[in-house]
Amino acid sequence: EAQVTQNPRYLITVTGKKLTVTCSQNMNHEYMSWYRQDPGLGLRQIYYSMNVEVTDKGDVPEGYKVSRKEKRNFPLILESPSPNQTSLYFCASQPILTIYNEQFFGPGTRLTVL
Amino acid sequence: GDSVTQMEGPVTLSEEAFLTINCTYTATGYPSLFWYVQYPGEGLQLLLKATKADDKGSNKGFEATYRKETTSFHLEKGSVQVSDSAVYFCALTMASGSRLTFGEGTQLTVNP
Repeated sequence: EAQVTQNPRYLITVTGKKLTVTCSQNMNHEYMSWYRQDPGLGLRQIYYSMNVEVTDKGDVPEGYKVSRKEKRNFPLILESPSPNQTSLYFCASQPILTIYNEQFFGPGTRLTVL
Repeated sequence: GDSVTQMEGPVTLSEEAFLTINCTYTATGYPSLFWYVQYPGEGLQLLLKATKADDKGSNKGFEATYRKETTSFHLEKGSVQVSDSAVYFCALTMASGSRLTFGEGTQLTVNP
């Protein structure tokens, strides 16, 4: 089944404790992206990647890191999480980047930083 | 910058009622427009899309028409069902396609 998977689905942590949220897709998509969803703000892009070893900042990159060492994986790293990073996070992927293609979303990771 | 504005929610309807969720956009250029739906506990999935002016996207009884003159992409359905209860997001992407710009989302609840 074609899908985007994320782990963990739920995570409660404390301020300053490094964490990684994994994202994997099995559709051989070149493009991958991370979004955060906050009430009243919709989804905002954090980082995106056009292909292996190619990443760039989205609208809200502060406090996050990403890497793209393999085509299928695009982990999101929070080196020192803070309470304002409490949010619902979505990973998405897309085949060759054009304005006509839809993005496929993972099920989401709900993160709480205490 | 580019932006999307959706009607304020939440929206509560009775089954078989007519649905309209308004969406307007601001963009420099000619975006592609999308409606995504998020069912409880799930990720977003594409509902419909339109890539140029006057295109009509349709799926599962939902429709939206790309109106360049009013910069709008309103979502409509003639008769909603309880199973349509979800959050609906209007979104656009520009020429590079690297970013979806989302509206705030509209929570729809359909009561039997």
